[in-house]
Amino acid sequence: SQTIHQWPATLVQPVGSPLSLECTVEGTSNPNLYWYRQAAGRGLQLLFYSVGIGQISSEVPQNLSASRPQDRQFILSSKKLLLSDSGFYLCAWSPGQGAETQYFGPGTRLLVL
Amino acid sequence: ILNVEQSPQSLHVQEGDSTNFTCSFPSSNFYALHWYRWETAKSPEALFVMTLNGDEKKKGRISATLNTKEGYSYLYIKGSQPEDSATYLCAAETSGSRLTFGEGTQLTVNP
Repeated sequence: SQTIHQWPATLVQPVGSPLSLECTVEGTSNPNLYWYRQAAGRGLQLLFYSVGIGQISSEVPQNLSASRPQDRQFILSSKKLLLSDSGFYLCAWSPGQGAETQYFGPGTRLLVL
Repeated sequence: ILNVEQSPQSLHVQEGDSTNFTCSFPSSNFYALHWYRWETAKSPEALFVMTLNGDEKKKGRISATLNTKEGYSYLYIKGSQPEDSATYLCAAETSGSRLTFGEGTQLTVNP
């Protein structure tokens, strides 16, 4: 069966510090991978998605970047965090064929102070 | 950018009540409509993926309908239980497996 992992679960970082959140998927190959964020009082917003190694699409301009160095690894990064980067970050995967369920990881709660 | 709207924003019902909420989305470029259930401190859990106009899906006491021509979907819960308390999210999918989520309906079922 497939599982999706995210770490860390919680992170408190000062403004201006770098960020690296990691997501890995087990039990499947060549999945579509997604990063979402839920800011306080807001809905889930798609940040990045990837259909393959090295292929990243950005949905909104922002202070963050994503990379997919391996088939089942998706990394969300920032060189300098802003207060507005605080939120709950969810990674998800899907089989990649369209109209397919996306399966979410446990999430990372990020607080930038 | 798609505009996906859900109503009501929050809902309080008594145990045993049946309830429903709405998701509206642009009918152009429609590919699929997803419903998720998100409990506090857990990951969103998939309920349904629907693609066809007039489609109706059911999972236990929860069912959903889809009208792609007018751009809306209803989620129904029959005989609500306290464990149904959660935020119910809908998301519209356009090509490329990209989902645009609504802000959710927060359901509280009082015992």
